[in-house]
Amino acid sequence: ELKVEQNPLFLSMQEGKNYTIYCNYSTTSDRLYWYRQDPGKSLESLFVLLSNGAVKQEGRSMASLDTKARLSTLHITAAVHDLSATYFCAVDAGSGTYKYIFGTGTRLKVLA
Amino acid sequence: KAGVTQTPRYLIKTRGQQVTLSCSPISGHRSVSWYQQTPGQGLQFLFEYFSETQRNKGNFPGRFSGRQFSNSRSEMNVSTLELGDSALYLCASSQPRQPGQETQYFGPGTRLLVL
Repeated sequence: ELKVEQNPLFLSMQEGKNYTIYCNYSTTSDRLYWYRQDPGKSLESLFVLLSNGAVKQEGRSMASLDTKARLSTLHITAAVHDLSATYFCAVDAGSGTYKYIFGTGTRLKVLA
Repeated sequence: KAGVTQTPRYLIKTRGQQVTLSCSPISGHRSVSWYQQTPGQGLQFLFEYFSETQRNKGNFPGRFSGRQFSNSRSEMNVSTLELGDSALYLCASSQPRQPGQETQYFGPGTRLLVL
């Protein structure tokens, strides 16, 4: 059974600092997704990583995927308060269909 | 394009009752998935439908069921509600592996409180 682990679970950082969220998964998959969730809101798609070595960047965030290591990272550069949210990674276990297994989430708080 | 819509947005029920939640996917999307989000268990996959057929099912008891209609709209039903069913229920829609649309798009959710 596919398991997805994220760390850290909580992250409090000062504005302007860099940090990385890690997402490990237990079985082979080449489809990994990152989502953001603000309190009381739904999930917003951030990155779609579909192959080994995939790297995507958007603003201050960059995500990468290493399928051999079964690891994805979400790196935040020079964080700003607006990035405060909970971030989830999800791995598609559907084998051609959609069945996302989500990580535990990382609650990020950026302090001014 | 309009996004995924879910109704109702909030619901209060009592133990033993049943509830039906509705989801309208993005126009043209034929795959609809349902997820349950709770503080304790996180986000858990319930089931996925495509062209009125259930393709995947998560590890939930038979009290949780769903269906999809010919217009791709989907409903999920929970019978004999328990306190632990209190959660945010999220619906997501997608195109099956269309380039540029490789992800699921989530609706605003239905927050269910069971008393």
